[in-house]
Amino acid sequence: AQSVSQHNHHVILSEAASLELGCNYSYGGTVNLFWYVQYPGQHLQLLLKYFSGDPLVKGIKGFEAEFIKSKFSFNLRKPSVQWSDTAEYFCAVISSGNTGKLIFGQGTTLQVKP
Amino acid sequence: EPEVTQTPSHQVTQMGQEVILRCVPISNHLYFYWYRQILGQKVEFLVSFYNNEISEKSEIFDDQFSVERPDGSNFTLKIRSTKLEDSAMYFCASRQVADTQYFGPGTRLTVL
Repeated sequence: AQSVSQHNHHVILSEAASLELGCNYSYGGTVNLFWYVQYPGQHLQLLLKYFSGDPLVKGIKGFEAEFIKSKFSFNLRKPSVQWSDTAEYFCAVISSGNTGKLIFGQGTTLQVKP
Repeated sequence: EPEVTQTPSHQVTQMGQEVILRCVPISNHLYFYWYRQILGQKVEFLVSFYNNEISEKSEIFDDQFSVERPDGSNFTLKIRSTKLEDSAMYFCASRQVADTQYFGPGTRLTVL
């Protein structure tokens, strides 16, 4: 069965620190990959997505992610976090040929200290 | 910008009662989904819906659950006889043909 694993459950950083959140998936075929963010009290919003093409994708608010097919990974990065980045981050995957259901990782809570 | 909306934001019910969670997807979207997130756990897929029928459902989505698109705009999730373990945040999502899923703000269901 497909699964998504996020390595970090809770990350605490100071403002201006660099961020990398790990995400690995288990599926051998073609996948579409996503990072969603959930700010406190708000709904899930799309940060970025990878469907095909350049494996380095850029999203909103300075986030980027790199798809490494050989490692089944799609890690999220930001060079300098801000207090407003405090949120929960979810990696998700859709495998090709199914109904488009998203398989989510466990989520990573990011706390940025001012 | 169009948004997915959900009502109510919080529903409290007694065990064994029926609940209906409502969603209004984005108007030109064709695919609709329900997910849930039990406190402290990951977001889990429940069901997908396309062309007025269920296209896929998870093992969680048993006979106690049903979905309906009664009037071309609303998309509802009904739980016939709620259990304590149904307490969770329920998210509705919708998308166009080959696009991102957009999520609603969720309904927090508390079963007492």
